[in-house]
Amino acid sequence: GENVEQHPSTLSVQEGDSAVIKCTYSDSASNYFPWYKQELGKRPQLIIDIRSNVGEKKDQRIAVTLNKTAKHFSLHITETQPEDSAVYFCAASRGFQKLVFGTGTRLLVSP
Amino acid sequence: SQTIHQWPATLVQPVGSPLSLECTVEGTSNPNLYWYRQAAGRGLQLLFYSVGIGQISSEVPQNLSASRPQDRQFILSSKKLLLSDSGFYLCAWSTGPKQETQYFGPGTRLLVL
Repeated sequence: GENVEQHPSTLSVQEGDSAVIKCTYSDSASNYFPWYKQELGKRPQLIIDIRSNVGEKKDQRIAVTLNKTAKHFSLHITETQPEDSAVYFCAASRGFQKLVFGTGTRLLVSP
Repeated sequence: SQTIHQWPATLVQPVGSPLSLECTVEGTSNPNLYWYRQAAGRGLQLLFYSVGIGQISSEVPQNLSASRPQDRQFILSSKKLLLSDSGFYLCAWSTGPKQETQYFGPGTRLLVL
């Protein structure tokens, strides 16, 4: 079955810096890759997703890139702000199937 | 628009007691429904998913069970809780042509003492 690895487990940046979180997946048939943000004590919320027919997708300060050959995808956050502090989860699925989640990255943005 | 509800929001139960958590979705029909557990500071573990009424797939052997008595209702149960059942229980739904994107409910925080 699918296996998703996520790095780093913790990431500390200064406000205004960029943050990059990376995930690798094992199933070459996976074709859908969402990213969720979970604030302390809250539910995970979808922030961006990408499908395998696209190499990059941007939404304001957030972007996701996908390298199907290498089977990895990354979340990029530019101009980080303290409110970006949260745990971020990547996931992968083959479509119509259950999502397999990474282990999460705790992002801390210091003012 | 679609809305997902979970209750209770918080629950403290003694070891060996039964459990029933409820999840309901509004504003959509025939959703896929999921139960996840998240231990403190950990990732998301898929427990059960359902593609329709009465159809339940179990992902992890354990003392929990799930049922889907109605199209938009998903219930997580246990006959006897263990200490290790403590955690944050999240229900999620997906729908649409590809049914890929999952949206989470507010969660139930369960503490077993």
